[in-house]
Amino acid sequence: EPEVTQTPSHQVTQMGQEVILRCVPISNHLYFYWYRQILGQKVEFLVSFYNNEISEKSEIFDDQFSVERPDGSNFTLKIRSTKLEDSAMYFCASSGGRVRGSNEQFFGPGTRLTVL
Amino acid sequence: AQSVTQLGSHVSVSEGALVLLRCNYSSSVPPYLFWYVQYPNQGLQLLLKYTTGATLVKGINGFEAEFKKSETSFHLTKPSAHMSDAAEYFCAVSDRDTGNQFYFGTGTSLTVIP
Repeated sequence: EPEVTQTPSHQVTQMGQEVILRCVPISNHLYFYWYRQILGQKVEFLVSFYNNEISEKSEIFDDQFSVERPDGSNFTLKIRSTKLEDSAMYFCASSGGRVRGSNEQFFGPGTRLTVL
Repeated sequence: AQSVTQLGSHVSVSEGALVLLRCNYSSSVPPYLFWYVQYPNQGLQLLLKYTTGATLVKGINGFEAEFKKSETSFHLTKPSAHMSDAAEYFCAVSDRDTGNQFYFGTGTSLTVIP
């Protein structure tokens, strides 16, 4: 069964460093997403990506964040200068996107980012 | 923006007992509704969803949920808990008109006692 994969599973970085979180969505999907979950809090939407551009983003997704689909398979989230409060589990998801809002989003296992 | 409330961050049930996990949403226009399950060290897996039609929806692993517009609820149930049901459960909604982003509840951790 096709699945979303994410690497690495755990990333430890120093405050102020850049990190890139990587995701391989399901191959025939059209929409791609990043969510994050700070320990003990809700899963929060960061950004959605469609047709090689951002389609929606939340207030959390400020100038420190960027997304890219550098090739036909990978979808990356970059944090330019990490802060302590960026420590969280980051989930990538993808969906087929046939009917707006109603499609199941398939989630990866997450990358746990720890900023020291 | 949507708000999703899951009452009870931790629920414990005995094996074989009824499972009831609560979810309420805030919008006046009913959204699309989803329940996801997360097992340790795994991603979120869809249990079931409601988009239109019959308000009682059946999902995987014997779970079902009923959409009640009057109560703005989408509670998840399973008649008889199994040890393998122990996991984190998330309710999520998305707006019918405005986009694809999901709004999640805080999650409910289900413990099944043998």
